[in-house]
Amino acid sequence: KAGVTQTPRYLIKTRGQQVTLSCSPISGHRSVSWYQQTPGQGLQFLFEYFSETQRNKGNFPGRFSGRQFSNSRSEMNVSTLELGDSALYLCASRASMDRLSYEQYFGPGTRLTVT
Amino acid sequence: QKEVEQNSGPLSVPEGAIASLNCTYSDRGSQSFFWYRQYSGKSPELIMSIYSNGDKEDGRFTAQLNKASQYVSLLIRDSQPSDSATYLCAVNSGGSNYKLTFGKGTLLTVNP
Repeated sequence: KAGVTQTPRYLIKTRGQQVTLSCSPISGHRSVSWYQQTPGQGLQFLFEYFSETQRNKGNFPGRFSGRQFSNSRSEMNVSTLELGDSALYLCASRASMDRLSYEQYFGPGTRLTVT
Repeated sequence: QKEVEQNSGPLSVPEGAIASLNCTYSDRGSQSFFWYRQYSGKSPELIMSIYSNGDKEDGRFTAQLNKASQYVSLLIRDSQPSDSATYLCAVNSGGSNYKLTFGKGTLLTVNP
């Protein structure tokens, strides 16, 4: 079974621009979560989507948004990029919302650099 | 603020030894706990999950959970140089509203 895929793998943007990152979950997985990883803050939860609905959200400004499509693929958007948004953005998927599916698997990540 | 604390390390052990990694969490209502391994430049890889008090073994890995003490640990037996990585403890602090809170990770180095 193929794993979680993310595109693009690397991205360089300029301050003030916006960016869209894409994630395809493991086949059959319906939940997608997004995380930001930086050396200083570690791994931080951004949001989770299930059945095209945002189920939970972390403590990030409204510039960070996401959506999920009917095929469970998800996109994350960051508007008005700031230097501090430079990070590894990770997508993770799990099978469903029930307790037996609490195990979450990560994609390879998108390395975003803001200059 | 729900927190997950880990010793940042580095933890250095000789090849063949037991590596012990520890994690404490602040939310007493947390129900599910995970250990991820992250090699430098790579994404986290799930290695263990544990939901009930006690020990759970998988090959050379043993996860231990003590909810009363709000403590999770990971033991790696017969450590190999390939185990050298950062180990992340993660706690589901959102209940049915799934939300993993991660510790900052412990860097483990296994010396040949």
